[in-house]
Order: sequence, then C-alpha cells, then structure tokens
Amino acid sequence: AQSVAQPEDQVNVAEGNPLTVKCTYSVSGNPYLFWYVQYPNRGLQFLLKYITGDNLVKGSYGFEAEFNKSQTSFHLKKPSALVSDSALYFCAVRDTHNTNAGKSTFGDGTTLTVKP
Amino acid sequence: GAVVSQHPSWVICKSGTSVKIECRSLDFQATTMFWYRQFPKQSLMLMATSNEGSKATYEQGVEKDKFLINHASLTLSTLTVTSAHPEDSSFYICSATERGTTGELFFGEGSRLTVL
Repeated sequence: AQSVAQPEDQVNVAEGNPLTVKCTYSVSGNPYLFWYVQYPNRGLQFLLKYITGDNLVKGSYGFEAEFNKSQTSFHLKKPSALVSDSALYFCAVRDTHNTNAGKSTFGDGTTLTVKP
Repeated sequence: GAVVSQHPSWVICKSGTSVKIECRSLDFQATTMFWYRQFPKQSLMLMATSNEGSKATYEQGVEKDKFLINHASLTLSTLTVTSAHPEDSSFYICSATERGTTGELFFGEGSRLTVL
C-alpha cells in the first residue's frame, strides 16, 4: 500500500520569503513523486515530479522539490514566494510496482497563503 | 503540454434527474482516465479508474449503478450521475494519463454539481 502525508494544513509566508510545503510518503517499492497545485474551483495542475536521478527537481513557476530517500520526504520549495502562489498544494505518490498506470495516492493538501 | 477538457464547469439540476459530465483529452491519447470527487477544503477522493474499451474499476464504497462511467474512445470518458440527490452535490474532477509516460496526471477543470 502507498500513502502520503502532508503534515501542515496551512502554511503562511510573507511575499519574498522562501517557502516550504512538506510531504512524506510510504511505498513498498521505488516511488514516483508528484506535486500538483489547485486554484479555487479549478482542477489540479502538474508542478513537478521525481522519477529517478538528481534528488533536486525543478518545476513550473519557480518551484522545486527535494527527494530524500532516507527521510522518505519530498518537500516543495520556492526561494521567493509570490502572492499569486497562494493556492492548495497536493503531494502524490505512485509505487512503481503499481501496474495501474497513473493511479496515484494524494495527500490531504496544504493551503499556502502568501501575504503581501 | 497535455490538455484535458472537462464539461460542463457548472451544472444545477433537480433531484431525481441525471447529469452527464464529459472529460476529453485534447492533444493526447488517454489510455486511462480517473474520476474524483472533492468536498470543500478536502483532498481528492478517487471514485473510479476508466480504461478505454473496458469497464471502469470502482473504488470501494462507490455505487457503480449511480455513477456510470463510459470510456468509449482514447480521448473521451463520461461520468453520469443517475437519479441525483442533494448529497451528490460536489466538485467532480477527471484526470488522464498519457500512454508511455511516467504517470503524471493531467486534470480537467472540474465540474461543480449542485442538486436542488
């Protein structure tokens, strides 16, 4: 079984400050890890993914995430937050042993609020 | 990037009627599509996995006779909420994964269903 935990329901940061949205995961095999963002009354948008290779992956809108196998974490980061980054963020994991391609498990989401 | 179109965005219907929601992959072949339900300020609840040309696989607790899913082609899946009741009011989101990719999901914009 696979699972994802986003320990923070809410993250508040000031514009221009760095931000981190935390995610830890559990899978039986090697993980495929994803971050998605959701704006109000919209579908989710893919931000970035880790499949293999460099532990630091870069994605859309200046976001990046670091895969840490020993801590089973995949925290989302951005060096300088913008007010427009305010949204709901979801971490997701897929076990590479999962033969049902694309069937990911999502965290409960973290609401990021960036204040001017 | 891959685009998924979901229609309608908003729908209001009377109790007892049926509502059909369409999910189309516009620029890729979606071998697998997923349907989710999302309650306010909550994560995505996977309802079913839809594979082209075969019956959908429903998650535990989801009534297959109430939520009819058809995936007739590689670019179209439909969700029909039959005999809708007020408790079916929710935000429904579809997603698709492209053949041969590592499983990142491309989401539709969601459909807000309100049953009166």
